[in-house]
Amino acid sequence: GAVVSQHPSWVICKSGTSVKIECRSLDFQATTMFWYRQFPKQSLMLMATSNEGSKATYEQGVEKDKFLINHASLTLSTLTVTSAHPEDSSFYICSARDSGRAGSTGELFFGEGSRLTVL
Amino acid sequence: AQSVTQLGSHVSVSEGALVLLRCNYSSSVPPYLFWYVQYPNQGLQLLLKYTSAATLVKGINGFEAEFKKSETSFHLTKPSAHMSDAAEYFCAVSDASAGTASKLTFGTGTRLQVTL
Repeated sequence: GAVVSQHPSWVICKSGTSVKIECRSLDFQATTMFWYRQFPKQSLMLMATSNEGSKATYEQGVEKDKFLINHASLTLSTLTVTSAHPEDSSFYICSARDSGRAGSTGELFFGEGSRLTVL
Repeated sequence: AQSVTQLGSHVSVSEGALVLLRCNYSSSVPPYLFWYVQYPNQGLQLLLKYTSAATLVKGINGFEAEFKKSETSFHLTKPSAHMSDAAEYFCAVSDASAGTASKLTFGTGTRLQVTL
């Protein structure tokens, strides 16, 4: 199946610093990627939809200046958590759909997730 | 708007017993439905999906689910549980008519525990 890779898997940073998380589709092109946030023992909450070559679409309640998303190529989207605070600590997961497949049925391929801990 | 309800945040079964994880959906448009599995500190892996073809869907690892429109349900089953099935399971729904960029809405998840 298609592979989506996230980096880093784990990151610990100090409060006030910025952290960048990368999401790559390794064997397919993805015009659209999605970023989710997952709190411990809870479900995935969609943060934003990342569109290649255009601005991301953020879900209600998600601060776009806090969570910067860049989708500069068909295989890479990045999420930057700016001026991170302890409450930003979470598990961040990206997903992507193979743009080359005709008749998409809505299946997404997920990355392994990135655990952010802000001290 | 679409939503998914997973009844039971925690299910425990004995090894070899039937697994039944419940999922009910709400959607004003024809849905696509999915079951994903998540192991600790990992992303999600697709188990199976319903995309308006056969209502009984077979997935990986011996799992299957049946789409019942009259009951707005998409319950996940496996005849015989294995220790390796212990994980978090998520049911999700998307809008079948929304095209290639449709978003997934997830349920709150069910943690499956398998005991000896």
